[in-house]
Amino acid sequence: DQQVKQNSPSLSVQEGRISILNCDYTNSMFDYFLWYKKYPAEGPTFLISISSIKDKNEDGRFTVFLNKSAKHLSLHIVPSQPGDSAVYFCAASGGAQKLVFGQGTRLTINP
Amino acid sequence: EADIYQTPRYLVIGTGKKITLECSQTMGHDKMYWYQQDPGMELHLIHYSYGVNSTEKGDLSSESTVSRIRTEHFPLTLESARPSHTSQYLCASTAWAEPAEQYFGPGTRLTVT
Repeated sequence: DQQVKQNSPSLSVQEGRISILNCDYTNSMFDYFLWYKKYPAEGPTFLISISSIKDKNEDGRFTVFLNKSAKHLSLHIVPSQPGDSAVYFCAASGGAQKLVFGQGTRLTINP
Repeated sequence: EADIYQTPRYLVIGTGKKITLECSQTMGHDKMYWYQQDPGMELHLIHYSYGVNSTEKGDLSSESTVSRIRTEHFPLTLESARPSHTSQYLCASTAWAEPAEQYFGPGTRLTVT
């Protein structure tokens, strides 16, 4: 059973608009959530994280929202730029410093 | 900026060969991880280590083995490669003090023919 799910395999957004990537989880023991960005033939790069004691964390153009009751988190990118085109992975941790990853969403920013 | 290195970046090898994928980090991190990822799929944890002489199997069963003789080095070995081992292998590390953020290497794309 998949504990972290990203139900949209791909997303296409126009440059300058907002990109919203979604992630759902099933394990209520998860207390820390992260987003990673991955370009082809490279390793994932950490983007932003959020602890379960918060419901929002912002870093420049990137904001992560956490809805614990719905077991849902989302990543907002605004404004979207061509360099944001990549695969985005949601990950969750429930302690023991181990991460569980979603399948990823391929974001394409169109000029 | 994280400094974690993987070699080779790409490897094409025949069935039955023994291979070792190298991973090194210069950050002094105690915790290191190996993930396997197929295109369009999630990263699966196959091995991890919390320090020298400590290794554990991850959530995904793997025929590979690992060793941790030095803090900075965490190699992965396949004794007899098979086509089913074709995948991308990603190494990561993190420090004890940090919540869960892991730093990834560039990965090794392995193809077994």
